[in-house]
Amino acid sequence: ETGVTQTPRHLVMGMTNKKSLKCEQHLGHNAMYWYKQSAKKPLELMFVYNFKEQTENNSVPSRFSPECPNSSHLFLHLHTLQPEDSALYLCASSQGRQGGTEAFFGQGTRLTVV
Amino acid sequence: GDSVTQMEGPVTLSEEAFLTINCTYTATGYPSLFWYVQYPGEGLQLLLKATKADDKGSNKGFEATYRKETTSFHLEKGSVQVSDSAVYFCALSSPNYGGSQGNLIFGKGTKLSVKP
Repeated sequence: ETGVTQTPRHLVMGMTNKKSLKCEQHLGHNAMYWYKQSAKKPLELMFVYNFKEQTENNSVPSRFSPECPNSSHLFLHLHTLQPEDSALYLCASSQGRQGGTEAFFGQGTRLTVV
Repeated sequence: GDSVTQMEGPVTLSEEAFLTINCTYTATGYPSLFWYVQYPGEGLQLLLKATKADDKGSNKGFEATYRKETTSFHLEKGSVQVSDSAVYFCALSSPNYGGSQGNLIFGKGTKLSVKP
């Protein structure tokens, strides 16, 4: 496999459930990102990891908890979500820092909170 | 803060028509500029980019020129095809992010539909 792979592609969960989104990149990149794409809103950067260290958290509610165990894997743990959290969650990777590459995106996980 | 504004859609064109999607930005310093495309049910794919003023990015017949004086990065294509139907996003990456091109600020997206 090549590129950025996200699983699952679709997820339906209740407000009391706990679930996790997974992202894996096979590009040798050292930076990984979570973005949220909601209807009628611009894509929003949620979290950034560089060399497994979280370097940015854009005021994301604590019901979203990221985890980056190594440079190739990124998780987004979800618990007690709200219906307004329903969105497409996109993972991306890049070669970070100055002179790096552009971001490569996965196909996303379509999340529906019921 | 930094921001990107792009023309609201949807845009509907006939095949072989000329396409322009306007994009302007507000940023401190000299950002890198990007156009991403999202086909139905897919993630985002980089279409083209420009990293400094007067650079022209091009790919698959699409072009955009980094205009610092007008803070613009308009997307153009001379003859669109049905297969170009997608949502197009303009984005910037600020040098304030240490040069990382993954910390992106996006416009709202413009949906393009091309009819045969």
